[in-house]
Amino acid sequence: SQWGEENLQALSIQEGEDVTMNCSYKTYTTVVQWYRQKSGKGPALIILIRSNEREKRSGRLRATLDTSSQSSSLSITGTLATDTAVYFCAHTGNYKYVFGAGTRLKVIA
Amino acid sequence: GALVYQYPRRTICKSGTSMRMECQAVGFQATSVAWYRQSPQKTFELIALSTVNSAIKYEQNFTQEKFPISHPNLSFSSMTVLNAYLEDRGLYLCGARQGNERLFFGHGTKLSVL
Repeated sequence: SQWGEENLQALSIQEGEDVTMNCSYKTYTTVVQWYRQKSGKGPALIILIRSNEREKRSGRLRATLDTSSQSSSLSITGTLATDTAVYFCAHTGNYKYVFGAGTRLKVIA
Repeated sequence: GALVYQYPRRTICKSGTSMRMECQAVGFQATSVAWYRQSPQKTFELIALSTVNSAIKYEQNFTQEKFPISHPNLSFSSMTVLNAYLEDRGLYLCGARQGNERLFFGHGTKLSVL
C-alpha cells in the first residue's frame, strides 16, 4: 500500500490478472484522485472519488474510498501490458494535494 | 478536454545557472497552479501553490528567492529555478486545478544539472 513515508511499492503480474493497489492517508480528505504515470511522462488523472462516494468505476478501473479507515483502493481488472506504469493516489481536504509514494505495476504479456 | 502543456520537456543547465519553465492550461481555466518536484525515486514534493490574484504559498524548504513563480492569468504560469545545483535535479511538474477538485498535469520539465 502507499503511505507518505514509505518507499515506492512494486508489483509484477501476468496480463489478464486483476490487481488492487491501496492508499492510506492521515489528514482530513474530501477527494482522492488516482494517477497513472508512464515512463517519461507526467501523471495522468485516471479516476477521482469523493468522500461521499464509496465506489467509483471507469471501464476496467474501480476506486473505493473508506473515510472511516482513511483508505482508498484502485483495482484494475483484466490487466493489459499497457497498464504498466506507476500509480499514485493523491488526497486533498483543503487547498493542496498530497501524493502517496506510488506503486510500480508491471504487467507481463 | 483539459490539457496542460509544460515546456521545455528537458533542460540541462550548468551548476549555478538558472532556468525557467512554463505551464499552459488549455481547454479550461485553472483556479490554481501547483508546482511539484518529483525525485528519481518518484516521490512528489510540493514547491508552491499559486492562485491568480493571491499570494503564492511556498512549502517548507522552498522559497520565492529560489523558485520565483509568475501566474499572470488563469491559463499560464511560469517558475524559475535560480542558481541550480545538483540537489535541484528532478522532474518539475505543473499541476493545474480545474474547479475545486481535478488536478491535471503536464509532461513535466526534466532538469539536469552539470
